[in-house]
Amino acid sequence: EAGVTQSPRYAVLQEGQAVSFWCDPISGHDTLYWYQQPRDQGPQLLVYFRDEAVIDNSQLPSDRFSAVRPKGTNSTLKIQSAKQGDTATYLCASSPRTGQNTLYFGAGTRLSVL
Amino acid sequence: GQQVQQSPASLVLQEGENAELQCNFSSTATQLQWFYQSPGGSLVSLLSNPSGTKHTGRLTSTTVTKERRSSLHISSSQTTDSGTYLCAISSNTNKVVFGTGTRLQVLP
Repeated sequence: EAGVTQSPRYAVLQEGQAVSFWCDPISGHDTLYWYQQPRDQGPQLLVYFRDEAVIDNSQLPSDRFSAVRPKGTNSTLKIQSAKQGDTATYLCASSPRTGQNTLYFGAGTRLSVL
Repeated sequence: GQQVQQSPASLVLQEGENAELQCNFSSTATQLQWFYQSPGGSLVSLLSNPSGTKHTGRLTSTTVTKERRSSLHISSSQTTDSGTYLCAISSNTNKVVFGTGTRLQVLP
């Protein structure tokens, strides 16, 4: 069984540029999460989906961040006009419907905003 | 919302010593997971333990649900155990909240 796949692994931007992160969850997992992990901190939830529906995006900076999961499978997280404070690792995780919220993580995308 | 506190923030051991990591949470939890993260690496699930005691290898987790706390005991630590240990909690939704982690360094 393939794990959670994320791309790209690394991204380096100048402030003001846009970037998209892509996540392919484990097949059959209905719940998908995006976390932001600044250096030396724990992961902080940005948004999560059940199938194609957004369940909670209350921690997503909505003026510059957006996330979609149109067919309930792959997901894209986009940052418009990146800021230095967005420098972090962006982690995607998925969870099966009957998995009691057991999370499986991808390798993450490490973003540096200069 | 759910708050998760982990202690200690960091811990330094000599190889062979045991480690005891703590996780305290503010609201009832229906699921609790312990994760390991190597420096610069992703998160690997160690075990899920919403209540009671579970063992896997050199790891033992004990969760006391009504006291809203869990511990992770690492016996006979090895240098390869060095990294960050994270506790993650979910309640009656799918929302999973992480603590800030315990950074463990095991010296040879």
